[in-house]
Amino acid sequence: GAVVSQHPSWVICKSGTSVKIECRSLDFQATTMFWYRQFPKQSLMLMATSNEGSKATYEQGVEKDKFLINHASLTLSTLTVTSAHPEDSSFYICSAEQGQETQYFGPGTRLLVL
Amino acid sequence: EDQVTQSPEALRLQEGESSSLNCSYTVSGLRGLFWYRQDPGKGPEFLFTLYSAGEEKEKERLKATLTKKESFLHITAPKPEDSATYLCAVPPRAGGTSYGKLTFGQGTILTVHP
Repeated sequence: GAVVSQHPSWVICKSGTSVKIECRSLDFQATTMFWYRQFPKQSLMLMATSNEGSKATYEQGVEKDKFLINHASLTLSTLTVTSAHPEDSSFYICSAEQGQETQYFGPGTRLLVL
Repeated sequence: EDQVTQSPEALRLQEGESSSLNCSYTVSGLRGLFWYRQDPGKGPEFLFTLYSAGEEKEKERLKATLTKKESFLHITAPKPEDSATYLCAVPPRAGGTSYGKLTFGQGTILTVHP
């Protein structure tokens, strides 16, 4: 099956700093990628849809200035958490859509903000 | 509004004890139904896509079926390594180049005891 990677797999940062998470589709091109957030024992919550070469579409309640998304190529999307605070600590998961159909998910990035 | 409901919330099985997980959906114009497996601390792993009522797909000990109102994930002679959270999801009805925002069920936590 299609493979999606994320880097880093986990990150610890100080409050106020910015953190960048990369999402790559390794063996296919993805026009559309998605960023999710997952809290413990809860389902995935879509944060934004990222389209290559255009601005991301954010879900209601998600601050676009805080969660910056860039989809510069057909295989790479990045999520930057700006001025991170402890409440931003979470498990962030990206997915990439193959052939305008199935979404394949990355392994996730665990963020801890101290 | 699309709705996806999974049952049971949790299922405990003995190794070798076959069972089924249920995913009921309320979607106008189903474009597809996805099954994923998620292990703790990892992103969802794609299992199956079903497109139309009557369709069945198999992978090792898993078989997914689809009717007009629900999907079942049958697990035959499960092993402890099948323990995970199983998620089903449906894309929105609206057409377009992307399947877009998936509506997820809350998942079924499967535990298989040796």
